[in-house]
Amino acid sequence: GAVVSQHPSRVICKSGTSVKIECRSLDFQATTMFWYRQFPKQSLMLMATSNEGSKATYEQGVEKDKFLINHASLTLSTLTVTSAHPEDSSFYICSARQTSGGKSEQFFGPGTRLTVL
Amino acid sequence: LAKTTQPISMDSYEGQEVNITCSHNNIATNDYITWYQQFPSQGPRFIIQGYKTKVTNEVASLFIPADRKSSTLSLPRVSLSDTAVYYCLAGTDKIIFGKGTRLHILP
Repeated sequence: GAVVSQHPSRVICKSGTSVKIECRSLDFQATTMFWYRQFPKQSLMLMATSNEGSKATYEQGVEKDKFLINHASLTLSTLTVTSAHPEDSSFYICSARQTSGGKSEQFFGPGTRLTVL
Repeated sequence: LAKTTQPISMDSYEGQEVNITCSHNNIATNDYITWYQQFPSQGPRFIIQGYKTKVTNEVASLFIPADRKSSTLSLPRVSLSDTAVYYCLAGTDKIIFGKGTRLHILP
């Protein structure tokens, strides 16, 4: 299947700083990417839909000014956690949608573990 | 978006066939059914996708009855490494994850 990468795989930062996470589709172009957050022992929670060349669509309860999403190219979306706090510590996962022959599949990145001290 | 319901957890033994059933009563006409596997601290991995009847690949089979209100993932001859969380999803655009099924394979 298609490959999606994330960078960094883990990051530790101080409270109040901003952290940028990159999501890349390595062997296909993705007009749509998604960002999820996952807390321990819980399922993935969709945060936002990232659309190439336009504004992201955020799910209810997700602060768009805190979680900045940029999808500047067909292979790269970035999530910036601004002014991070300990409660933002989580596992962040992106996915990229590949559409072919009327069918679409989502391929997930390996995730980024964010720890805010 | 179709809501999915799966058993919270299942136990099985190595070498057994494991069937995980998912219900998606309000699935839309153009929705596909997709199953993912997730290990701790990793992103979900695509297992199989289908629309109706039966689909088989090198790792699993997916059975979908005619009314498409449920589906069953079948894992043949499981091993300890199949211990993971399995998610059933029904949709075409954005994917909303349910709670998944925590499968534990015993020796």
